[in-house]
Amino acid sequence: AQSVTQLGSHVSVSEGALVLLRCNYSSSVPPYLFWYVQYPNQGLQLLLKYTTGATLVKGINGFEAEFKKSETSFHLTKPSAHMSDAAEYFCAVAGGGNKLTFGTGTQLKVEL
Amino acid sequence: KAGVTQTPRYLIKTRGQQVTLSCSPISGHRSVSWYQQTPGQGLQFLFEYFSETQRNKGNFPGRFSGRQFSNSRSEMNVSTLELGDSALYLCASSLSMGQGDYGYTFGSGTRLTVV
Repeated sequence: AQSVTQLGSHVSVSEGALVLLRCNYSSSVPPYLFWYVQYPNQGLQLLLKYTTGATLVKGINGFEAEFKKSETSFHLTKPSAHMSDAAEYFCAVAGGGNKLTFGTGTQLKVEL
Repeated sequence: KAGVTQTPRYLIKTRGQQVTLSCSPISGHRSVSWYQQTPGQGLQFLFEYFSETQRNKGNFPGRFSGRQFSNSRSEMNVSTLELGDSALYLCASSLSMGQGDYGYTFGSGTRLTVV
């Protein structure tokens, strides 16, 4: 079975500051890990994914995440926040077929 | 190339009625999955279809059902609607099974309100 824990349901940063959204996972098999973003009244957009290989994954819009097996973590970062980054972010894990198990989400607020 | 299309975008139904939601995947995608999103329960997996066969099912009552057609389009049906079924229903398509290789593309969802 797989599960995901996102620490912090709300995160607030200043524009230009580092964004760090935390995700820890549990999986009985080698995990596939994902970060999705959701804007109001929209579906989910894939930011990045880790399957195998390089543990530092680069995604769209300047986001990246590092898979750390020893810490069972897959934290999402962006060096400099932009107002347009304000949205809800979901970490997810897949262990079999196409079923995704999502975390509870982190609402990112970007302030001037 | 067109994305995942879900219809309708918004729906209001009365308790006890039934509803059918539609999802057209990206052209060439053969796997379709459905998720329910609510403020209380978050994003929960409903079921997955591939080649017209249900391959995986989440922990939802039998009132929730789905099907996939030969052109990969999918429908989900909820019978005897309850207030708690009010949610955003998201459809996602993928080239094939094996999420890690192919990845999902989500539609914009259908917002169902049960009154």
